[in-house]
Amino acid sequence: GESVGLHLPTLSVQEGDNSIINCAYSNSASDYFIWYKQESGKGPQFIIDIRSNMDKRQGQRVTVLLNKTVKHLSLQIAATQPGDSAVYFCAENPGGSARQLTFGSGTQLTVLP
Amino acid sequence: DSGVTQTPKHLITATGQRVTLRCSPRSGDLSVYWYQQSLDQGLQFLIQYYNGEERAKGNILERFSAQQFPDLHSELNLSSLELGDSALYFCASSVSGSNTGELFFGEGSRLTVL
Repeated sequence: GESVGLHLPTLSVQEGDNSIINCAYSNSASDYFIWYKQESGKGPQFIIDIRSNMDKRQGQRVTVLLNKTVKHLSLQIAATQPGDSAVYFCAENPGGSARQLTFGSGTQLTVLP
Repeated sequence: DSGVTQTPKHLITATGQRVTLRCSPRSGDLSVYWYQQSLDQGLQFLIQYYNGEERAKGNILERFSAQQFPDLHSELNLSSLELGDSALYFCASSVSGSNTGELFFGEGSRLTVL
């Protein structure tokens, strides 16, 4: 069936470096994508979203890129900090509602000192 | 702190039993969502309520049910529990009238079925 998946289950980066977390989606009907961060013992926390009429959106230290041609999105985190260590999920809305999201399996980001 | 409160934080029970998980959304949020997070299935959408009415259903088993009360708190009832129901159950709420996917998640209820 159609799914949202992540290329790498784990990612380790040095503090201060930039991080790139990738996500592939397969539902071409999805027009809204969102990134969540989940720290250990906590619930997911919204980071940034993007609609399919855009290919890039920037937030504070984060940028999401969307490539509809290859059904790929990525989350870039600039100057990665220890507090960025968490599991990052991409999610899509295959059903048209911005809240009924299908989540990917997650990437564990570890920031090394 | 997201403002969403879930109880209990941890729950251990036996197969065949029934449990109720409770969620209080953020003040003013009319929508409540339930998600299940397990190691093999990831985050799965179960059900959504809006102002007391069921709005959308996801991969929710027939053994599971939910409701949202007039004070907007919600309960997720899990019955005839099986080992595979062991998971983290998250409740989330959202700002009414927003068209974004920003959900505010609670810290979850960890259910262990023995």
